[in-house]
Amino acid sequence: GNSVTQMEGPVTLSEEAFLTINCTYTATGYPSLFWYVQYPGEGLQLLLKATKADDKGSNKGFEATYRKETTSFHLEKGSVQVSDSAVYFCALSDLRKGAQKLVFGQGTRLTINP
Amino acid sequence: AAGVIQSPRHLIKEKRETATLKCYPIPRHDTVYWYQQGPGQDPQFLISFYEKMQSDKGSIPDRFSAQQFSDYHSELNMSSLELGDSALYFCASSLMNSLAEGDEQFFGPGTRLTVL
Repeated sequence: GNSVTQMEGPVTLSEEAFLTINCTYTATGYPSLFWYVQYPGEGLQLLLKATKADDKGSNKGFEATYRKETTSFHLEKGSVQVSDSAVYFCALSDLRKGAQKLVFGQGTRLTINP
Repeated sequence: AAGVIQSPRHLIKEKRETATLKCYPIPRHDTVYWYQQGPGQDPQFLISFYEKMQSDKGSIPDRFSAQQFSDYHSELNMSSLELGDSALYFCASSLMNSLAEGDEQFFGPGTRLTVL
């Protein structure tokens, strides 16, 4: 079945450092890919998405490119801030029977130190 | 903008009791999804409804049932609660076949269920 594998965490960086969180997927067909962020005690917020190969999703300085050849959707940010500390989930949409359930990776906890 | 509403936000139950979680989707959204997130885990899909009909089913125990009502709100009913049911339960909604929103799911804040 479809699955998502994320870089093991936790990840700790200093403010203004460069961030990469790796995400690879296994899927049949052509799923959409997402990055969700979960701040402490809160729900899931969509950070960015890409719906087809070579699409680049971007938001709040974060970027990820849908790479079909490497089945990857790595999250990057050039200069992280303390406020970026959260858990990040990579996900794909699994189109079945007309509904599009999300399949999540295991999450990567990111901590940014001042 | 209106978001997905879930109630209650927190719920404490004893083993073997029942619980009902409610979800109110974004207005006009026709699809509701339920996910369960255990401590330190990724969210796991439970069940979804499209236009009040069950559209997909994931790893939902037989002790759980759900439905979507005529006003599109959804309820997740959980019986014979076990300690392992303690988790954060998310509801998400989407508008099927929306060109504007694509296949984006909008998540509610979650209901934290604690079973003692």
